Amino acid sequence: NAGVTQTPKFRVLKTGQSMTLLCAQDMNHEYMYWYRQDPGMGLRLIHYSVGEGTTAKGEVPDGYNVSRLKKQNFLLGLESAAPSQTSVYFCASGPLAGGRNTQYFGPGTRLTVL
Amino acid sequence: KNEVEQSPQNLTAQEGEFITINCSYSVGISALHWLQQHPGGGIVSLFMLSSGKKKHGRLIATINIQEKHSSLHITASHPRDSAVYICAGSNKLVFGAGTILRVKS
Repeated sequence: NAGVTQTPKFRVLKTGQSMTLLCAQDMNHEYMYWYRQDPGMGLRLIHYSVGEGTTAKGEVPDGYNVSRLKKQNFLLGLESAAPSQTSVYFCASGPLAGGRNTQYFGPGTRLTVL
Repeated sequence: KNEVEQSPQNLTAQEGEFITINCSYSVGISALHWLQQHPGGGIVSLFMLSSGKKKHGRLIATINIQEKHSSLHITASHPRDSAVYICAGSNKLVFGAGTILRVKS
């Protein structure tokens, strides 16, 4: 099993450009999450999904959109990137809601917006 | 004030030392998670606990629900333990900022 994979691993964007980050999991987990990690701050939840076809906002959703068309994939989109979105993005999945069970994390995507 | 606070922010230890990292939270939680993030960036779940104590190898995690406090202990520390240790409180996961641990040989 590959676990949770993320593509790409690194990306540099110019302000205003768009991109999509892909998260894939092969553990048949219902729940998937997108977090961002910034220096000196804890991981913050952007959006999450409780199952195929569902999405919900987390703590810091502005400027991002998500889709969960297939159970194994969770996409994070930036329609018009801003320098404030420079961060490391982590995807995670889990069999149960939020804190009720272990979450499995992807390796992260380092995004720089110039 | 963050809902989940960790201390210390940075910790340097000599190989073999006993290490303690603390986590205090101000929100009601059903479980407390400890995560490990290595320099390469990958995040691994170490423990999830809602009461008492859990042990895995040289790692021990404890939680006191009444005092809203958890500790992560590392016995006989080793340079490979160098990482960022993160605590998070659920129900919706709220993360601490992390403790950067460096173990010198």
